Amino acid sequence: ETGVTQTPRHLVMGMTNKKSLKCEQHLGHNAMYWYKQSAKKPLELMFVYSLEERVENNSVPSRFSPECPNSSHLFLHLHTLQPEDSALYLCASSQDRGQIKQFFGPGTRLTVL
Amino acid sequence: GQQVMQIPQYQHVQEGEDFTTYCNSSTTLSNIQWYKQRPGGHPVFLIQLVKSGEVKKQKRLTFQFGEAKKNSSLHITATQTTDVGTYFCAQQGAQKLVFGQGTRLTINP
Repeated sequence: ETGVTQTPRHLVMGMTNKKSLKCEQHLGHNAMYWYKQSAKKPLELMFVYSLEERVENNSVPSRFSPECPNSSHLFLHLHTLQPEDSALYLCASSQDRGQIKQFFGPGTRLTVL
Repeated sequence: GQQVMQIPQYQHVQEGEDFTTYCNSSTTLSNIQWYKQRPGGHPVFLIQLVKSGEVKKQKRLTFQFGEAKKNSSLHITATQTTDVGTYFCAQQGAQKLVFGQGTRLTINP
């Protein structure tokens, strides 16, 4: 248990659905991250939030919309996804944006039909 | 952009054999981290190396940072079935981590 929780753990959705992934960290960290992990690909950083402000957006399609209402919670809103978006979505946190040691949540396994 | 090349992509060993994964960069690294991801799990931080030529050990795991700070290795002595998983190196980019592709280790008991 790393102190980072994610829900749901598994999600199956159609291309026209709207869903949200939730991440919560109980570590008092100031920075939170969304990563995408596809088969046979490195971990891809999607978004970085530091003190609830988005500081990085790695050319992620607009069908992925992050939200960070406070330093403990991070959401990833999904709409009109494509089958190639099927992947494991990992949330992570670190003490500060410059802190390298990251604590990962268990991930949400997303399947887009 | 910043890239970290990790080899091999896959490694299968007999239990008790040694295992090594390598991480290489074309640029000098400020530091490097290693993570382990068990099958069905999530990445877990193992260690961070900062100094040129640094060597750190965690039981059967030995981590090295090259003298030029452009490469790193993780060596496992006498693998056990609990070592299965994917090992990632990660370098610090501009306020973010850049991960290698990972080396997936499988072990024949």
